[in-house]
Amino acid sequence: QKEVEQNSGPLSVPEGAIASLNCTYSDRGSQSFFWYRQYSGKSPELIMSIYSNGDKEDGRFTAQLNKASQYVSLLIRDSQPSDSATYLCAVRELTGGGNKLTFGTGTQLKVEL
Amino acid sequence: DVKVTQSSRYLVKRTGEKVFLECVQDMDHENMFWYRQDPGLGLRLIYFSYDVKMKEKGDIPEGYSVSREKKERFSLILESASTNQTSMYLCASSGRGGDGGRPYGYTFGSGTRLTVV
Repeated sequence: QKEVEQNSGPLSVPEGAIASLNCTYSDRGSQSFFWYRQYSGKSPELIMSIYSNGDKEDGRFTAQLNKASQYVSLLIRDSQPSDSATYLCAVRELTGGGNKLTFGTGTQLKVEL
Repeated sequence: DVKVTQSSRYLVKRTGEKVFLECVQDMDHENMFWYRQDPGLGLRLIYFSYDVKMKEKGDIPEGYSVSREKKERFSLILESASTNQTSMYLCASSGRGGDGGRPYGYTFGSGTRLTVV
């Protein structure tokens, strides 16, 4: 069973700080990684994708990937109260068709005023 | 923008009823998925489909079936609803892949909160 692990939190950070969300995965051959944001009572929304080792930046968000360590992270700079949500890490399975993703259980982020 | 529409936002059904959850996407996506989401368990894949009339079991297919007669529509069927199927059901779709075959992320529908009493 392929696994994607996240700390459930809650992770509390003050407004304006950097929030760091982490994810590890078990399938060493995985090539594609995604971060989703889910507000309470809403469905997940794709915010970042990353396929190569290193950093990928998009506005206040930076995704970091280290395939050797099987580790992917999401940094949120200048955190805002509107960033308070659950963040889901998802990993594309290497085998099989249909673009199947395995999701972590999510990390709850709380940005405090 | 890709739109994934789930027919009902809230649904209450009785034990033993046959339940149909409908999902329609408007971007000609090949792949469609049904997940359920429960507190502490995260998103669990029930079934997915990568083409019309094609379906594959996910991690928790027991008690469910699916139908994909048209590319844009993917239906989840609870053959005989039970209380342990009370959950949030999420439909998602994605394209086949972008440049270099890199897979696209999913677009989710707004979800159906099903309560079985």
